[in-house]
Amino acid sequence: GAGVSQSPRYKVAKRGQDVALRCDPISGHVSLFWYQQALGQGPEFLTYFQNEAQLDKSGLPSDRFFAERPEGSVSTLKIQRTQQEDSAVYLCASSLRGAATYNEQFFGPGTRLTVL
Amino acid sequence: KNEVEQSPQNLTAQEGEFITINCSYSVGISALHWLQQHPGGGIVSLFMLSSGKKKHGRLIATINIQEKHSSLHITASHPRDSAVYICAGRNLNSGGGADGLTFGKGTHLIIQP
Repeated sequence: GAGVSQSPRYKVAKRGQDVALRCDPISGHVSLFWYQQALGQGPEFLTYFQNEAQLDKSGLPSDRFFAERPEGSVSTLKIQRTQQEDSAVYLCASSLRGAATYNEQFFGPGTRLTVL
Repeated sequence: KNEVEQSPQNLTAQEGEFITINCSYSVGISALHWLQQHPGGGIVSLFMLSSGKKKHGRLIATINIQEKHSSLHITASHPRDSAVYICAGRNLNSGGGADGLTFGKGTHLIIQP
């Protein structure tokens, strides 16, 4: 497809369960971002990749959150031992170039995670 | 304190009305996005601007760097414009990564027929 895709679109997890969220960026896009959006709030930055390198993970809320992009394309956000406060929409965005030149971000549809 | 503030938080208007949504930011930015988010979470980028004014169809975005303020206008509003409109700035001090954005909380717009 032409846009950013994410899967699954919806995920319900029991507290303590591990989850993995996938992002397929636009082909050829260098930069990839993960954001967390709590209900009724604006998105908040989690982490940023330039190709396979994770250049900024300052927004990850705890060491239970881990992201990877091993081949510089698809990325996975993993949350271990999920807690209720992890319930949110997780948004992925990609942009064509690296950070040296600012350029528009294209957003995926998000994964809505509900932790029971 | 959120570094990107939007107003109003909620706005209900009649079809055809001229709509203005405001965004103020407390630190310097190099670029500002206006985004549209429909129910279900999908976000579409409307504008990216660093100075002046941009227009696309019925949408107009302006930014005043000195005053740290931006506005999004919708002319001849239509029910299909109903969505959450979010402004987001790049290069704010409190994080956001090399290119990541810091978002406002959004303005929930409802246009009634």
